[in-house]
Amino acid sequence: ETGVTQTPRHLVMGMTNKKSLKCEQHLGHNAMYWYKQSAKKPLELMFVYNFKEQTENNSVPSRFSPECPNSSHLFLHLHTLQPEDSALYLCASSQDGERESGELFFGEGSRLTVL
Amino acid sequence: AQSVSQHNHHVILSEAASLELGCNYSYGGTVNLFWYVQYPGQHLQLLLKYFSGDPLVKGIKGFEAEFIKSKFSFNLRKPSVQWSDTAEYFCAVNRGRTGRRALTFGSGTRLQVQP
Repeated sequence: ETGVTQTPRHLVMGMTNKKSLKCEQHLGHNAMYWYKQSAKKPLELMFVYNFKEQTENNSVPSRFSPECPNSSHLFLHLHTLQPEDSALYLCASSQDGERESGELFFGEGSRLTVL
Repeated sequence: AQSVSQHNHHVILSEAASLELGCNYSYGGTVNLFWYVQYPGQHLQLLLKYFSGDPLVKGIKGFEAEFIKSKFSFNLRKPSVQWSDTAEYFCAVNRGRTGRRALTFGSGTRLQVQP
């Protein structure tokens, strides 16, 4: 139990499908993140939200669309993806503030396969 | 932009051998430093972190790391590894107190411990 729950754990979709990944954190944190984990590459930061406001978009293609309705929930909407988008998508949360280290708490990830 | 280098991509050790995994970062200002571990099929979890104070940091499961500011390094050590330490290890950095707070990760080191 990590305090950060991601659904679904596995997702297979075609290039023309529209799907969403969901993340919920039960830690009372004020910041949430999406990272992409591909084989043999560093974790890539995709989006950052602080107090529901997007503070960072790391040049992510528009086929990935994040949504953060409140501090506990984060979505990643997917449409017209490419096979190279197949990866493990990790959600994380942290308590952000001047006296905080920025330690991230991760969910177990959503394994996405694009056919 | 800050970056993190992990020079050992794959390390194979026998049980009871000593471990040292290298980590170097590129940012010159105040930093917070982290080591995360990902056991097979599990989520990323924190091993240890440097936030301030003593540069020799002790973490869980007998791991420790030393922050050497002059060398921009934060190497991970364990005097005697066990088979259960088989996992992937990630070094990460963020900017302390001000600046970009999201973690930047290295590409990871896969550790295989043979019984």
